[in-house]
Amino acid sequence: DVQMTQSPSSLSASVGDRVTITCQASQDIKNYLNWYQQKPGKAPKLLIYDVSNLETGVPSRFTGSASGTDFTLTISSLQSEDFATYYCQQYDILPLTFGGGTEVEI
Amino acid sequence: EVQLVESGGGLVKPGGSLRLSCAASGFTFSSYSMNWVRQAPGKGLEWVSSISTTSRYIYYADSVKGRFTISRDNAKNSLYLQMASLRVDDTAVYYCVSQGQGWGWGQGTLVTVSS
Repeated sequence: DVQMTQSPSSLSASVGDRVTITCQASQDIKNYLNWYQQKPGKAPKLLIYDVSNLETGVPSRFTGSASGTDFTLTISSLQSEDFATYYCQQYDILPLTFGGGTEVEI
Repeated sequence: EVQLVESGGGLVKPGGSLRLSCAASGFTFSSYSMNWVRQAPGKGLEWVSSISTTSRYIYYADSVKGRFTISRDNAKNSLYLQMASLRVDDTAVYYCVSQGQGWGWGQGTLVTVSS
């Protein structure tokens, strides 16, 4: 199975901060990497697909990038509605696997 | 717009059975692979099972293999998960997830396994 190691598991930030979350895959997953945002009691919401493509309707302050098997989600200027938990997901190989999540707190 | 609506969750005793359903609309269901993903209370996301467009290819997580059965009915735009021999650690919100030209998630249905 492809292991997705996500860090940090939580972080504290303020509105306007630049936030970076990383995921490292245990093997090559090509560009088959999604990022999700989840708020309490809600389903995950797709933010970015195929490493760096912004889902329709997602603000441009969210960006994704990759270097080899290291993947990064960046929020350029944190807004109040961005406080949530973020997950990466690989879909190159079954089983689909997810990072452990990053809780972004005030 | 992809819409996925799960149903069938509830409270069941250990060893019991439950059948989840997912009604799909807003896309060509028969062209999308489908998945079940679950999330235990306060925990992360865990893939459960996948089924290809024609049901030819089916996969399960080791944790549910032999106990859960995924199926689909393309004529009814529906996905199913038959769960048997349920255990306390199967307690989770179960999400129906579409995979094709994009990804879609349902709102989830809660399955609670408790005596």
